[in-house]
Amino acid sequence: ETGVTQSPTHLIKTRGQQVTLRCSSQSGHNTVSWYQQALGQGPQFIFQYYREEENGRGNFPPRFSGLQFPNYSSELNVNALELDDSALYLCASTELAGGTGELFFGEGSRLTVL
Amino acid sequence: GENVEQHPSTLSVQEGDSAVIKCTYSDSASNYFPWYKQELGKGPQLIIDIRSNVGEKKDQRIAVTLNKTAKHFSLHITETQPEDSAVYFCAASERNNNDMRFGAGTRLTVKP
Repeated sequence: ETGVTQSPTHLIKTRGQQVTLRCSSQSGHNTVSWYQQALGQGPQFIFQYYREEENGRGNFPPRFSGLQFPNYSSELNVNALELDDSALYLCASTELAGGTGELFFGEGSRLTVL
Repeated sequence: GENVEQHPSTLSVQEGDSAVIKCTYSDSASNYFPWYKQELGKGPQLIIDIRSNVGEKKDQRIAVTLNKTAKHFSLHITETQPEDSAVYFCAASERNNNDMRFGAGTRLTVKP
C-alpha cells in the first residue's frame, strides 16, 4: 500500500510569485484535504477535494486554489505569494463515505517566501 | 465554526511517568475526535481516535476520554518512554472530515 506523497519537499519563492504543490493520495482513497501549518501551530484546513470537486473550504482567500485529478491526486496553487504564506503545507487523504474517517498525512511541502 | 483549544502547550515528564493532554471544542455537531503525533520533519500520524458514541478508548499505553456534555476530551499516555517525545495535536470534526479543526499542539518531552 502506497502512502501519501507530496512534492516538492522544500521550495523557496519570492513575494508575488506563484507556486504549485502536488500530492498523491494513498491507494484506495478518493478524498484529499490540504492544510497549512505555520511554525509552532496546528494544521489549518484550506480545502478538501472529493470526486474532483471542492468539498469544503476553510478561511483562506481565493488566491489559494486546488485541483483533483481522475486518479485522485491533487494540486494546491497559491498565487501572489505573501510572506505569511511561509509554512508547511500538508496533504491528507481519506476514503469518504464508507471509510473510517482517518486522515493519512504526507510529510508536507515546506514553502519559504522571501 | 469549530474552535479547538489544547493545554498545556509544553509538557515535560520523567520516563515512566504519565502524561495528560486536554482539549475542549465548541461545536456540538462534532462527533469525531482524533489525536495525532508529529515528529520533527514529518507529517502528523494518527495515534488514537474516539467517536461521540464512546466515552473512553484504550490502546496499550494510550487512552482517550470524551465528555460530550462538557465538550472536552483528553489523551492519557502511561509509562512514558523517550520515543514518546513529539508534538501531539487533538482535533475535532463531523463525520465527513471536510473541516477538521486542530488544537495548537502540545510539545511533550520525556526525560530518560
